[in-house]
Amino acid sequence: GAGVSQSPSNKVTEKGKDVELRCDPISGHTALYWYRQSLGQGLEFLIYFQGNSAPDKSGLPSDRFSAERTGGSVSTLTIQRTQQEDSAVYLCATSSGSGYNEQFFGPGTRLTVL
Amino acid sequence: KQEVTQIPAALSVPEGENLVLNCSFTDSAIYNLQWFRQDPGKGLTSLLLIQSSQREQTSGRLNASLDKSSGRSTLYIAASQPGDSATYLCAVRGGTSYGKLTFGQGTILTVHP
Repeated sequence: GAGVSQSPSNKVTEKGKDVELRCDPISGHTALYWYRQSLGQGLEFLIYFQGNSAPDKSGLPSDRFSAERTGGSVSTLTIQRTQQEDSAVYLCATSSGSGYNEQFFGPGTRLTVL
Repeated sequence: KQEVTQIPAALSVPEGENLVLNCSFTDSAIYNLQWFRQDPGKGLTSLLLIQSSQREQTSGRLNASLDKSSGRSTLYIAASQPGDSATYLCAVRGGTSYGKLTFGQGTILTVHP
């Protein structure tokens, strides 16, 4: 596609429910990143994919968070048993090559946990 | 651990002014630095990418400089316009970090007519 797309754009859920957030990268971009933007913490790295592998998961805040990527393309970020502190905007970014090139961001998914 | 600071946190200027946004980082061993703008409720738009070996990059009315040894970058916006109003974010990429970006908190810019 022309740019990085994310769905849904907004998600409201109840505490304790599981949610899935989706990222569709720019075609041909092998590097994919998930970031989280919250009021108190700014923009924080969550996980990095190169192809279908995730060599860096160091930013995932707890074991309730997981992500996968299939076919070197679409990625899904899953949050289990959501908590109110998970409320944030989740941003996906992709780049060509190894990831040290320019990163292009999607519009984000705004998650609200009630 | 890399830390990125942006000054000022907010800036309000009249249309037509030239302005400078500042970014500093604690670990000078960076691979490159990227400036973004973010409009309210939107994702990030890449403005400029400066490699660690470069001193500056220009795009239209925007000029970004990098002084790696002192851990500083500036974003210069010439002849500001109301459409430039947004949050500007600076992010650095370490040499051994798989390309992940470490962001500053941003500068909220308002350009009034």
